Amino acid sequence: GIQVEQSPPDLILQEGANSTLRCNFSDSVNNLQWFHQNPWGQLINLFYIPSGTKQNGRLSATTVATERYSLLYISSSQTTDSGVYFCAVSSNTGNQFYFGTGTSLTVIP
Amino acid sequence: NAGVTQTPKFQVLKTGQSMTLQCAQDMNHEYMSWYRQDPGMGLRLIHYSVGAGITDQGEVPNGYNVSRSTTEDFPLRLLSAAPSQTSVYFCASSPDRAYGGYTFGSGTRLTVV
Repeated sequence: GIQVEQSPPDLILQEGANSTLRCNFSDSVNNLQWFHQNPWGQLINLFYIPSGTKQNGRLSATTVATERYSLLYISSSQTTDSGVYFCAVSSNTGNQFYFGTGTSLTVIP
Repeated sequence: NAGVTQTPKFQVLKTGQSMTLQCAQDMNHEYMSWYRQDPGMGLRLIHYSVGAGITDQGEVPNGYNVSRSTTEDFPLRLLSAAPSQTSVYFCASSPDRAYGGYTFGSGTRLTVV
């Protein structure tokens, strides 16, 4: 299957700071999504972004498919941004969706 | 719309018992899948379905069965529970495999003693 690596594994930010989370993947993909798992365990879909750039409020994401990576930007972080951020991908030829091990973000007031 | 509904939310089983985790969606999604989440390992795909009557194995299918008799329902069966199956289980659905908009259920925390 496709290998998905996320960095950094852990991140602690002061409220108001900006951050960049990275997702590297080992093969060509036609589906890439970013998810946020809140401290109560709920998984929320943030972006469907197999290529290009998207923005949603303080969050934006960029995927460079030819170089096999994606970045998630969080600006002006808030305590409600805390949780684990996952990147997940599927290949052009497969039906399986592979998750990275996540970046655990803690935003302190 | 309720989205993706998983039941139960918590369950404790004894080794060797069987049980079924329920998953239902009301969005007419074709693609449904089951994941398990273990500490430090992200989410791993157990089984998935691309439509009613069609199921296939994911990364970690051993010890689990699924069926998809309707578009709405995708139950996961543990045949003979083992402590290694202690985990949090998530069901997800999307309009199709290649499309975004994955929706997850709230999860089932299973402990096998």
